[in-house]
Amino acid sequence: DGGITQSPKYLFRKEGQNVTLSCEQNLNHDAMYWYRQDPGQGLRLIYYSQIVNDFQKGDIAEGYSVSREKKESFPLTVTSAQKNPTAFYLCASSSQPDGAYEQYFGPGTRLTVT
Amino acid sequence: ELKVEQNPLFLSMQEGKNYTIYCNYSTTSDRLYWYRQDPGKSLESLFVLLSNGAVKQEGRLMASLDTKARLSTLHITAAVHDLSATYFCAVDKLTSGSRLTFGEGTQLTVNP
Repeated sequence: DGGITQSPKYLFRKEGQNVTLSCEQNLNHDAMYWYRQDPGQGLRLIYYSQIVNDFQKGDIAEGYSVSREKKESFPLTVTSAQKNPTAFYLCASSSQPDGAYEQYFGPGTRLTVT
Repeated sequence: ELKVEQNPLFLSMQEGKNYTIYCNYSTTSDRLYWYRQDPGKSLESLFVLLSNGAVKQEGRLMASLDTKARLSTLHITAAVHDLSATYFCAVDKLTSGSRLTFGEGTQLTVNP
């Protein structure tokens, strides 16, 4: 089955530790995205990548880092510099059939930092 | 800066009733999307609207786009409990390569 997988589903970390969230897609999509969602709010863009070995900052990139070494994978590292990392993190990917750029989302990782 | 506003943010309605959710955006946009999110779950794509006057329907939901007014609507017909969820609209621009800006979401509760 084609789709986007994120792991783990739940992640608990102590303050001051870096943590890496996994995102893999087998949809052959060129573009991938990371969003953050806080309770009762919409999604905010952290980083995005339109092609392998290239990525751009989104609206809230501070305290996060990414890499895009393979088309299928776009891991997100939440560093200790991120002041309020507890949130629901969603990965997405998109292609461009007929210019639609529709984004498909993974199941998400819920990160709790104490 | 592109801003997206939805209203209402909370909507409680009875089964069988009709209602409309509104999505306004601040600058010219090329594409508009509607998503559904169930509690604790990811986002499910509902509609993609690409041009002025576009209208799409799926079951009891119908979405439309007026690019001149910078407004999209999501109309619910004869609501049922299964439609209870949070609905998000999102917009992007061709120049951004599909960089979405989301509204805050409308939390819909359909009561028996």
